[in-house]
Amino acid sequence: DSGVTQTPKHLITATGQRVTLRCSPRSGDLSVYWYQQSLDQGLQFLIQYYNGEERAKGNILERFSAQQFPDLHSELNLSSLELGDSALYFCASSASPDLGSTEAFFGQGTRLTVV
Amino acid sequence: GEDVEQSLFLSVREGDSSVINCTYTDSSSTYLYWYKQEPGAGLQLLTYIFSNMDMKQDQRLTVLLNKKDKHLSLRIADTQTGDSAIYFCAERGSFDQTGANNLFFGTGTRLTVIP
Repeated sequence: DSGVTQTPKHLITATGQRVTLRCSPRSGDLSVYWYQQSLDQGLQFLIQYYNGEERAKGNILERFSAQQFPDLHSELNLSSLELGDSALYFCASSASPDLGSTEAFFGQGTRLTVV
Repeated sequence: GEDVEQSLFLSVREGDSSVINCTYTDSSSTYLYWYKQEPGAGLQLLTYIFSNMDMKQDQRLTVLLNKKDKHLSLRIADTQTGDSAIYFCAERGSFDQTGANNLFFGTGTRLTVIP
């Protein structure tokens, strides 16, 4: 158990809909990262928050947004869903704002299926 | 952007050594990582190597880094059936417009250990 909790574990929704994925980082970790793992794109970095502020942005679509709350949990909002958004969405957390020798701990992921 | 490549599949017999290879493009990468993903689980950091090192050994794991060829390998000695998983090579992005804190992952190598 990495200590990172993601809910829900599975989500099935229709095209055009909006969903919210939730992540609770490890106790004490201030950084939260979101990744998308799909068959055709592999594992892609989406966005990072550190202590409530956006820290780094990757290949995140404009239809997607995220935030980190004062209690440090984070939510990833996906809207106007398309079939191609079906993927496994991982959240990771780390103690520091900058990855190096600091380990990022991954949650088990939320499997999103868009039908 | 950064490009990290791995072969997709590797099969070995139990007790043999496994060697998983990875090539990357960003010569300024300071940290390179190996993650393991077991079915239904998140990614678990196995080991990392700093770019000024050529080799790092950690119990059954040996990481070799050839900076000139931008080649990273993970050797698992005495491979066990419990080592069957997907292994991801990752590099930490350099300081650019996307920030220093995203990891760029390879496609993953599915290791199958045959009893």
